[in-house]
Amino acid sequence: SQTIHQWPATLVQPVGSPLSLECTVEGTSNPNLYWYRQAAGRGLQLLFYSVGIGQISSEVPQNLSASRPQDRQFILSSKKLLLSDSGFYLCAWSVARGTEAFFGQGTRLTVV
Amino acid sequence: GEDVEQSLFLSVREGDSSVINCTYTDSSSTYLYWYKQEPGAGLQLLTYIFSNMDMKQDQRLTVLLNKKDKHLSLRIADTQTGDSAIYFCAETRDTGRRALTFGSGTRLQVQP
Repeated sequence: SQTIHQWPATLVQPVGSPLSLECTVEGTSNPNLYWYRQAAGRGLQLLFYSVGIGQISSEVPQNLSASRPQDRQFILSSKKLLLSDSGFYLCAWSVARGTEAFFGQGTRLTVV
Repeated sequence: GEDVEQSLFLSVREGDSSVINCTYTDSSSTYLYWYKQEPGAGLQLLTYIFSNMDMKQDQRLTVLLNKKDKHLSLRIADTQTGDSAIYFCAETRDTGRRALTFGSGTRLQVQP
């Protein structure tokens, strides 16, 4: 069966520090991968999606970047965090030809 | 552009039925989903419906789709305290990037 792992679960970082959140998927090949952010009391905003290794599409201009160094690995990064980067970050995957998305447990990031 | 809207809050008594509503604007939406998010956790797919259907039932869950009005609803029969969570409506198309567009979520509170 397919599983998705996302870590860390919680993170507190100072303003200006770097960020690296990792997400891996098991049990499937060539998945579509997604990073979403959920601000407090709000819906999910799509940040990045990837249809293959090294292929990243950005949905909104921001202080974050994403990379896909391996087929089932998706990394969310920042060189310098801002207070506004605080939120709940969710990684998700879907099969290449489908649209049903499966989510990780999320990372709660607090920038102080 | 794409937009999905939901009411923010719903309170029901245990044993009653809950109806969570959602409207969307993209007439080319092909798939519509309901996700459940428990506190501090990721999103769990509850059910989905294709745009060529108008109803889908799965145990206590009933999804109704009015494609003409672009209105989607989720009915939970015999609501239990364990149903307390945030429910997200989402839509996507069968073409293009296939990333889900989410509503802001409806917080369901079930009172004993």
